[in-house]
Amino acid sequence: DGGITQSPKYLFRKEGQNVTLSCEQNLNHDAMYWYRQDPGQGLRLIYYSQIVNDFQKGDIAEGYSVSREKKESFPLTVTSAQKNPTAFYLCASSIRPGGTTEAFFGQGTRLTVV
Amino acid sequence: DAKTTQPNSMESNEEEPVHLPCNHSTISGTDYIHWYRQLPSQGPEYVIHGLTSNVNNRMASLAIAEDRKSSTLILHRATLRDAAVYYCILRMNTNAGKSTFGDGTTLTVKP
Repeated sequence: DGGITQSPKYLFRKEGQNVTLSCEQNLNHDAMYWYRQDPGQGLRLIYYSQIVNDFQKGDIAEGYSVSREKKESFPLTVTSAQKNPTAFYLCASSIRPGGTTEAFFGQGTRLTVV
Repeated sequence: DAKTTQPNSMESNEEEPVHLPCNHSTISGTDYIHWYRQLPSQGPEYVIHGLTSNVNNRMASLAIAEDRKSSTLILHRATLRDAAVYYCILRMNTNAGKSTFGDGTTLTVKP
């Protein structure tokens, strides 16, 4: 089945450690996105990529890093510099950048710092 | 960036129509209006999107005001499975980085 897959579903991290969240899509989409969601709030854009080997900072990029070496993969690393990393992280993709087409979302990764 | 404003919550009875409003008074000419919905602990699901004209699909209808400063998502017959948080967002036509989610409207459907 075509879709967007995030793993793991739940992730626990000790303070001071880096952790990488996986996002894979087999939809042949050019654009991919990472969002953060805190309880009771909407989504905030962390990073986005409009095409392979390119990515841009979103509204809250500090403490995060990404790569886009393959079209289907857009991993997010939460670094120790992120002051409050506990959140629900969502990855999305769209066939083209921007709003002319819909975005497809993964099921999310819930990260907890212990 | 253009912002959207939605009511925090709305209630509906099952099998009745639901009209979910969204204000976006600072919308630009290149912003598409998108609607997504989200169940607890799940990723958002696409509902519908449009630019200027009203749009219909199997899930819902989108009515866009003539001046584009507001829009309404219409669920023609609400079911219990439609209970979710509904987000109205603006997405610039070609720039992937220009989209903003507000806090959405929590729709409760009563049997």
